[in-house]
Amino acid sequence: NAGVMQNPRHLVRRRGQEARLRCSPMKGHSHVYWYRQLPEEGLKFMVYLQKENIIDESGMPKERFSAEFPKEGPSILRIQQVVRGDSAAYFCASSRTAGNQPQHFGDGTRLSIL
Amino acid sequence: GESVGLHLPTLSVQEGDNSIINCAYSNSASDYFIWYKQESGKGPQFIIDIRSNMDKRQGQRVTVLLNKTVKHLSLQIAATQPGDSAVYFCAEMRIETSGSRLTFGEGTQLTVNP
Repeated sequence: NAGVMQNPRHLVRRRGQEARLRCSPMKGHSHVYWYRQLPEEGLKFMVYLQKENIIDESGMPKERFSAEFPKEGPSILRIQQVVRGDSAAYFCASSRTAGNQPQHFGDGTRLSIL
Repeated sequence: GESVGLHLPTLSVQEGDNSIINCAYSNSASDYFIWYKQESGKGPQFIIDIRSNMDKRQGQRVTVLLNKTVKHLSLQIAATQPGDSAVYFCAEMRIETSGSRLTFGEGTQLTVNP
C-alpha cells in the first residue's frame, strides 16, 4: 500500500531556472493538495486539484507558479524563473474524497535555490 | 496575522509521563480538525481527527479534546515514548465554497527525555 510519493526528494536550482515537483497520490485518491513549509513554520496551503481540474488555487502566487493534475500521471507543481525566496519544502497530500477527510502527506521535495 | 520565522513552542517530558499539546484555532466555522506528527525530514503523519459535533475522541495512546466555546484543541499522549519526539501540528478545515483546504497551527516541538 504505497503512500503519497513525491519526487525528487531534493532539488537544487539556480536563480532563473525552472523547478518541477511531482506527486503521485495514494491509490484510490483523486484529490491532491500542495502545501509549502518554511523552516520552523507550519504548512501553508497552495492549491487543490482533482483530476484535470484546479479547484482552489487561492494560496498559490499568481506569477511563476502553476499546478496540474492530468488524467494520466502525477500531479506537477511548476515554478518558473525561481528566486531565492522559493527555497522551501513542498508537500503534497491526497484524499479519497473532498470535505471532512484526512489528507495524507508525502515526504516532500526540498527545493534549494542557489 | 501570520507568524513569520518564530521559534516553535517546545514541550519537554520524561519518558513514561503523559504529554498535553495545545492549539488555538481561529475560525469558528471550522468543522473538522486533525493532529499531525512531523519528524525531521519527513512529511506530516496523520495521528487523529475529530469533527466539530464531538468534544473528545480516543485512539491508541492518544486523545483529542475539542472545546468549541474557546476554540481550543488539545492532544494528549499517554505514556510518552522517545519515538514520540517530533513536531506536532494541529490543522483545521474551514468551510469554503471550494472546500478541503487545511490551515495549520504553528506547531509544538515535543522532546521526550529517556
